[in-house]
Amino acid sequence: AQSVTQPDIHITVSEGASLELRCNYSYGATPYLFWYVQSPGQGLQLLLKYFSGDTLVQGIKGFEAEFKRSQSSFNLRKPSVHWSDAAEYFCAVAGGSYIPTFGRGTSLIVHP
Amino acid sequence: NAGVTQTPKFQVLKTGQSMTLQCAQDMNHNSMYWYRQDPGMGLRLIYYSASEGTTDKGEVPNGYNVSRLNKREFSLRLESAAPSQTSVYFCASSASAGTGGSDTQYFGPGTRLTVL
Repeated sequence: AQSVTQPDIHITVSEGASLELRCNYSYGATPYLFWYVQSPGQGLQLLLKYFSGDTLVQGIKGFEAEFKRSQSSFNLRKPSVHWSDAAEYFCAVAGGSYIPTFGRGTSLIVHP
Repeated sequence: NAGVTQTPKFQVLKTGQSMTLQCAQDMNHNSMYWYRQDPGMGLRLIYYSASEGTTDKGEVPNGYNVSRLNKREFSLRLESAAPSQTSVYFCASSASAGTGGSDTQYFGPGTRLTVL
């Protein structure tokens, strides 16, 4: 079975500060990993995904994530946060089934 | 290119009423999904359709039925609505099944349902 944990329910950062959102997964083999973003009142949009190769993945809007097999983690990072980054962020894992399992989400609050 | 569309955007029902949520995609995707989103619970899969003509239960199917009308459309029906079904419902689609999980899912804007 596959599962994903996002330990932080809320994260608050100041505009211009760096950001790291945590994601830990459970799956027996190499997983497919995703980060999605949900702006208020909207559906989810893919930020980036990992399925093989380079463990550092670049995404849209200046986001990146690093796959660390030894830590079963896929943390999302951004060097400088903008006010428009305030949103809900979801990590997801897919393994043998093509259907992903989503984490409970992390709400990002950006202070001016 | 509309992507994934959902109707209605908002709905208020009384307990026991029925309704159908509509979803359509124009990306020629094979697989479609229905999720519900509740505060602190993330997204939970209700039903999915790997391809036209097939449907399967997800994590929380009780109280729901689905129909894959054709390749484009996938509807979700609440036969007798209950307050516990108050939620935001998202439809999603992805290109193909059986590719080992690497497909991106594309989401609609959601339907906000309140059951009184």
